[in-house]
Amino acid sequence: EDKVVQSPLSLVVHEGDTVTLNCSYEVTNFRSLLWYKQEKKAPTFLFMLTSSGIEKKSGRLSSILDKKELFSILNITATQTGDSAVYLCAVGGSSNTGKLIFGQGTTLQVKP
Amino acid sequence: DSGVTQTPKHLITATGQRVTLRCSPRSGDLSVYWYQQSLDQGLQFLIQYYNGEERAKGNILERFSAQQFPDLHSELNLSSLELGDSALYFCASSQTPGSPLHFGNGTRLTVT
Repeated sequence: EDKVVQSPLSLVVHEGDTVTLNCSYEVTNFRSLLWYKQEKKAPTFLFMLTSSGIEKKSGRLSSILDKKELFSILNITATQTGDSAVYLCAVGGSSNTGKLIFGQGTTLQVKP
Repeated sequence: DSGVTQTPKHLITATGQRVTLRCSPRSGDLSVYWYQQSLDQGLQFLIQYYNGEERAKGNILERFSAQQFPDLHSELNLSSLELGDSALYFCASSQTPGSPLHFGNGTRLTVT
């Protein structure tokens, strides 16, 4: 059965800290790994990774995929209170359905 | 704003009843996905449609059904509702299978 596991489940840091969120997966015919940020409502898309070892970067957020070890990390540097959210990792695999399997999420709280 | 529209935002109903949730995908997106999010289960994939046809099915209960209409909007029908069906139901759309999913703001269903 396809599975996505995120760690830690929750994290409390102070503004300015750097955080690393982890995502490991087991999926048939891996196609892509995606990161989403969920505040109060809809998950919003952050990154999609398909190739191993290539870092995707957007401002203070960056992510990298290791297809050999079946995991990805999401780094957030110089955290701000606005980064407080649930971060979701999702994996797409098998055929061309496009469906994503989501992990449980990491709840990040950034204190002033 | 993702461009995916879900109605209604909130729904409160009694056990045994039937409800219909509606979703309009982003302009140009042919795929529609339905997910259920509850506190203890995370985001669970229910069903996907592509250009009017069912493309993939998750752990969707037999009491639940969905369809995608020629104008590409989709409806999720939930019947014989139980207390455990209380959750946030998200619709997402993508341009093609394999491209990132973009989520609506969800419908919060409360079954009393």
